[in-house]
Amino acid sequence: NAGVTQTPKFQVLKTGQSMTLQCAQDMNHEYMSWYRQDPGMGLRLIHYSVGAGITDQGEVPNGYNVSRSTTEDFPLRLLSAAPSQTSVYFCASNNRGGGYTFGSGTRLTVV
Amino acid sequence: GDSVTQMEGPVTLSEEAFLTINCTYTATGYPSLFWYVQYPGEGLQLLLKATKADDKGSNKGFEATYRKETTSFHLEKGSVQVSDSAVYFCALVQGAQKLVFGQGTRLTINP
Repeated sequence: NAGVTQTPKFQVLKTGQSMTLQCAQDMNHEYMSWYRQDPGMGLRLIHYSVGAGITDQGEVPNGYNVSRSTTEDFPLRLLSAAPSQTSVYFCASNNRGGGYTFGSGTRLTVV
Repeated sequence: GDSVTQMEGPVTLSEEAFLTINCTYTATGYPSLFWYVQYPGEGLQLLLKATKADDKGSNKGFEATYRKETTSFHLEKGSVQVSDSAVYFCALVQGAQKLVFGQGTRLTINP
């Protein structure tokens, strides 16, 4: 099925570990973005990209890196995990003016 | 900056009741407005959208009208079902294609 694929679905990390959350879309969308979802706070934008080779910071970028080497992929890297990064992470893609398509999410726990 | 405010939840209704979830926004320009729904354990799905003042978005019996004079986009449904139980997010986007979300409203429908 066409859409946004996120891996892994669940992950437990120890404080200080690094990891990469994967996101891939097969709809040839220009824009991709990463959000985190925390109770009572809705979804907050971490980083976004308007095309291959172009990324920018969102509302809560600290502690995260991204790159966009291809149209299809937009990985999110946690450099040194902290308990404050425990959250559910969603990747999304869209074309300008179009609706966003979201992945099914990655539930991350940092202990 | 742009922001979205939703009525606080949780909201609990009986089947066939009338539903209203309030949403107001603050934006400097003319944003597009969205309602997204999140079923348990899943990502967000676009429910409906409106791109200019007085537009009405509708889908699956849900409706919302873009009211520029009151900066509102309230979600309504005339007769809810148990299957409508989910978390509902109001959101806006303008300019750089960055979605700004409200905090979400959890809806539970009892049979």
